[in-house]
Amino acid sequence: EDKVVQSPLSLVVHEGDTVTLNCSYEVTNFRSLLWYKQEKKAPTFLFMLTSSGIEKKSGRLSSILDKKELFSILNITATQTGDSAIYLCAVLNGGGSNYKLTFGKGTLLTVNP
Amino acid sequence: SAVISQKPSRDICQRGTSLTIQCQVDSQVTMMFWYRQQPGQSLTLIATANQGSEATYESGFVIDKFPISRPNLTFSTLTVSNMSPEDSSIYLCSVEDIWDGYTFGSGTRLTVV
Repeated sequence: EDKVVQSPLSLVVHEGDTVTLNCSYEVTNFRSLLWYKQEKKAPTFLFMLTSSGIEKKSGRLSSILDKKELFSILNITATQTGDSAIYLCAVLNGGGSNYKLTFGKGTLLTVNP
Repeated sequence: SAVISQKPSRDICQRGTSLTIQCQVDSQVTMMFWYRQQPGQSLTLIATANQGSEATYESGFVIDKFPISRPNLTFSTLTVSNMSPEDSSIYLCSVEDIWDGYTFGSGTRLTVV
């Protein structure tokens, strides 16, 4: 069975702190790993990672994938209250036209002023 | 990236009734995906909908409970049938986006009373 495990499940920090969110996976036919931010209902896309060791960066957020150790991290520097959300990790796996996203349970990040 | 209009945004329904959720995409897409997010849980794939063929359901989900229509390449509906309180969830549609991984609709928050 495909598994995606995120840690920690929840995290409370103060504005300005740096956080690291973790995602490990065990899936067959890995294709890519995606990070999403979920504030209300709809997840919004952050990153898609396909290759090991190549950091993707967007402002204060960055992410990297390790396909040998089967994990990814999402870093947020200089956190702001607007970063408070659930961060979801998902793995796209499968072959041919038969592929799907498997999601982790998410990390609930709370940034206090 | 693709824009998905999902309706209704929320609804409160009586047990035993059915609710149909619609997703309209602003571009043609081959596959549309339907997810459920139960309270405090992550996203679980219900089914994949291809235009012109029957939807493919994941383990634990059946067509009689969650019938799906996909009449063309920009539209799909998911019906939640014979609802019970356990069906109270957020329902999300999604499409593959070449630039942004997978894009999600705005979500439908369903409460069954």
